Amino acid sequence: QVQLQESGPGLVKPSQTLSLICTVSGGSVSSGHYYWTWIRQPAGRGLEWIGRIYTRGGTDYSPSLKSRVTISLDTSKNQFSLNLSSVTAADTAVYYCARGRYFGGWLALDQWGQGTLVNVSS
Amino acid sequence: DIQTTQSPSSLSASVGDRVTITCRASQTISNYLNWYQQKVGKAPNLLIYAASTLQSGVPSRFSGSGSGTDFTLTISSLQPEDFATYYCQQSYSTPYTFGQGTKVEI
Repeated sequence: QVQLQESGPGLVKPSQTLSLICTVSGGSVSSGHYYWTWIRQPAGRGLEWIGRIYTRGGTDYSPSLKSRVTISLDTSKNQFSLNLSSVTAADTAVYYCARGRYFGGWLALDQWGQGTLVNVSS
Repeated sequence: DIQTTQSPSSLSASVGDRVTITCRASQTISNYLNWYQQKVGKAPNLLIYAASTLQSGVPSRFSGSGSGTDFTLTISSLQPEDFATYYCQQSYSTPYTFGQGTKVEI
């Protein structure tokens, strides 16, 4: 059973860069059957899709965050990462990493990390 | 972006009730629609993909239907462990947007 675990600072200052890592165990980030995704959820609110990376390195980002987001893959460490630059208080949220799986031609997020809370505050 | 709108935003129901949640997409998405359940303090859990296919291990009291722009999630007989928030997500085109959620209170 694959497991995902987010890690990174719980507190980031405004205007700085938020950096998180998702470590995958029990499976390989190099598998062509999957893609790797970041989602966030402000307290008491809904889910926001941030972006994804394919095993061959291609990426898709939410247009609302595209100018500030970078998602990368490190196959040697079986990890993928999220960098979000120029953060403000509006970026305070629980950040989830998740595995996207192809069920035939349909895509869904079938495995999730437990989430990590990131506060943006001076 | 494709917008996905859920209704209602919350509902109260009793154990044994039949519960229906609706998700509407702002443009046709065929059957590229997923449903997730999220319990308090936990990550979401995939219930249904391709609008109507039950994920492995999900109880059969959950079902999904719909195509095009209108979709439903039905819980045939609500159980105490179904107290949660439910989200739809379109996987037709990026960004794969989520609905705003429906909170089910027992």
